[in-house]
Amino acid sequence: GAVVSQHPSRVICKSGTSVKIECRSLDFQATTMFWYRQFPKQSLMLMATSNEGSKATYEQGVEKDKFLINHASLTLSTLTVTSAHPEDSSFYICSARSYGSSYQETQYFGPGTRLLVL
Amino acid sequence: AQKVTQAQTEISVVEKEDVTLDCVYETRDTTYYLFWYKQPPSGELVFLIRRNSFDEQNEISGRYSWNFQKSTSSFNFTITASQVVDSAVYFCALLTTDSWGKLQFGAGTQVVVTP
Repeated sequence: GAVVSQHPSRVICKSGTSVKIECRSLDFQATTMFWYRQFPKQSLMLMATSNEGSKATYEQGVEKDKFLINHASLTLSTLTVTSAHPEDSSFYICSARSYGSSYQETQYFGPGTRLLVL
Repeated sequence: AQKVTQAQTEISVVEKEDVTLDCVYETRDTTYYLFWYKQPPSGELVFLIRRNSFDEQNEISGRYSWNFQKSTSSFNFTITASQVVDSAVYFCALLTTDSWGKLQFGAGTQVVVTP
């Protein structure tokens, strides 16, 4: 159980285009999902917290108009990188929060999406 | 403030050697959760273990074992008889009750196991 999928796994796009990444919890409902960004040989950097039915909460320094997040259902969150530029090239990972009780809280991660902007 | 420190940047071992990864955390919360995740070259983070702050029982699962010491704020991870497939980056993470579900990750430790 507790499987999270991401699509696409890899995307190459031209500068100025928008890219949408989907994150799905396959076998559980996730009221909260998180979006991370990871540069080579670095740790994960939290970008935003996505809550079902409400606006996402962005971390300091993350442009909310650049990285649009939508969490329309309990199993799906999307991240859209608008007007992508080469500096947006990175590995984007989502996670879904699963908890039956507070003792069981765990975050499960998707396989990630490698974005390359030319 | 929460902080997770993984002082070891990279550890290289020969297959069958044991590997111990250090993790030191800081938090003022009395209730918190500690995690270890494995990130192989493919990039996906694989959940390995969660420990609650009120459960200091150490655990062994196959070749993996964990040593949680609240007195020293450490949550170390050992791979026994390492294998090439263990080569990955290992992240220690902290979750506190007032963090709204946000994980605080350490910098990660790259483990390289050579045949």
